[in-house]
Amino acid sequence: GAGVSQSPRYKVAKRGQDVALRCDPISGHVSLFWYQQALGQGPEFLTYFQNEAQLDKSGLPSDRFFAERPEGSVSTLKIQRTQQEDSAVYLCASSGLMNTEAFFGQGTRLTVV
Amino acid sequence: GENVEQHPSTLSVQEGDSAVIKCTYSDSASNYFPWYKQELGKRPQLIIDIRSNVGEKKDQRIAVTLNKTAKHFSLHITETQPEDSAVYFCAEAGYSTLTFGKGTMLLVSP
Repeated sequence: GAGVSQSPRYKVAKRGQDVALRCDPISGHVSLFWYQQALGQGPEFLTYFQNEAQLDKSGLPSDRFFAERPEGSVSTLKIQRTQQEDSAVYLCASSGLMNTEAFFGQGTRLTVV
Repeated sequence: GENVEQHPSTLSVQEGDSAVIKCTYSDSASNYFPWYKQELGKRPQLIIDIRSNVGEKKDQRIAVTLNKTAKHFSLHITETQPEDSAVYFCAEAGYSTLTFGKGTMLLVSP
């Protein structure tokens, strides 16, 4: 089937606006990760789901960031009251069994103006 | 996640030379060590991975070595080609998170 799909590919938000980023993982993949990648940097871990359970959210930078995966498949990363420092590419990855290859989506490039 | 230190941040080589990128980690529970290649504007893609019960793994021109005692692992690319130019990320995983290094930009000059 298809790989990991993210939408939208690009999002421009005015400062203070709320945004929602969607990730469709590979069907059947148990693990789902969200990362934030600033220009020229490595992916910074945000949060991890195993099925619908959010097992680790230690990387979320503030309480303005919220992620969910209610049915254990599609996930949404929501950012409230966006700030300029939130501008980055947000990458989603999924994998089957623990510690197997993680497949990345194309990412959503968020620009906050 | 735990820290992963990656060196160097940039690496320039001539076509045909070898390239080596090194990473260190701190979590002794880490047992999975993948390497990803990211071309400009594209998603990271797995190129090779190694588990903690193996010391070395090779796939054509690419090899990875792991020293669990010293908590470091390395990526070796032999006979580099211009199409190897990209940013390479090491990563480590234990029980949950997959943590990435900051990346190495590899430039292979013809």
